[in-house]
Amino acid sequence: SQQGEEDPQALSIQEGENATMNCSYKTSINNLQWYRQNSGRGLVHLILIRSNEREKHSGRLRVTLDTSKKSSSLLITASRAADTASYFCATDEGGGTSYGKLTFGQGTILTVHP
Amino acid sequence: NAGVTQTPKFRVLKTGQSMTLLCAQDMNHEYMYWYRQDPGMGLRLIHYSVGEGTTAKGEVPDGYNVSRLKKQNFLLGLESAAPSQTSVYFCASSLLGQGVEAFFGQGTRLTVV
Repeated sequence: SQQGEEDPQALSIQEGENATMNCSYKTSINNLQWYRQNSGRGLVHLILIRSNEREKHSGRLRVTLDTSKKSSSLLITASRAADTASYFCATDEGGGTSYGKLTFGQGTILTVHP
Repeated sequence: NAGVTQTPKFRVLKTGQSMTLLCAQDMNHEYMYWYRQDPGMGLRLIHYSVGEGTTAKGEVPDGYNVSRLKKQNFLLGLESAAPSQTSVYFCASSLLGQGVEAFFGQGTRLTVV
């Protein structure tokens, strides 16, 4: 079963604009991660936010986590054409038998026009 | 440093044929995973391993078998391929399992006709 629901499914913006993607999940988590996938390629880890954190930054990326609402958002500021990709949130439920198993959302397809 | 390498990158199988997908990692990671990616569904966990000689079922294990005879390799087998197994398969590994990032291979695109 899919843990995460991502919104929007597709996002089209101009270079320089900000892009915001949202992720909702169903169960308690230990951490939430965001990955990027360029067309035809594997997933690349972007950022990890733990359940006791509310916000995290990495370069042009800003991630927020609201465990009371079971939701997260990924903000990409000053987007570039090279940011064009699919973005996935993935949750790690934690606990003794988690073993790092990730449950993915269906992804947001971001297109940044030059 | 190659990271996670999957072999082959593409494959076409006939229904009923068998094949093995190979995943190799050179990062000395304990944990390895096989996911499949289908359109509009994100990635789903097939099987995983928490160390050499161990394997466990994920969310969608039916029709697949795995083996981890060596720490650096994780093999995914399809004994009798079905069209429903047409998908893109990704292998991933992580050092500690919980709470750290996973590293993904570039994927294997499998078509079963």
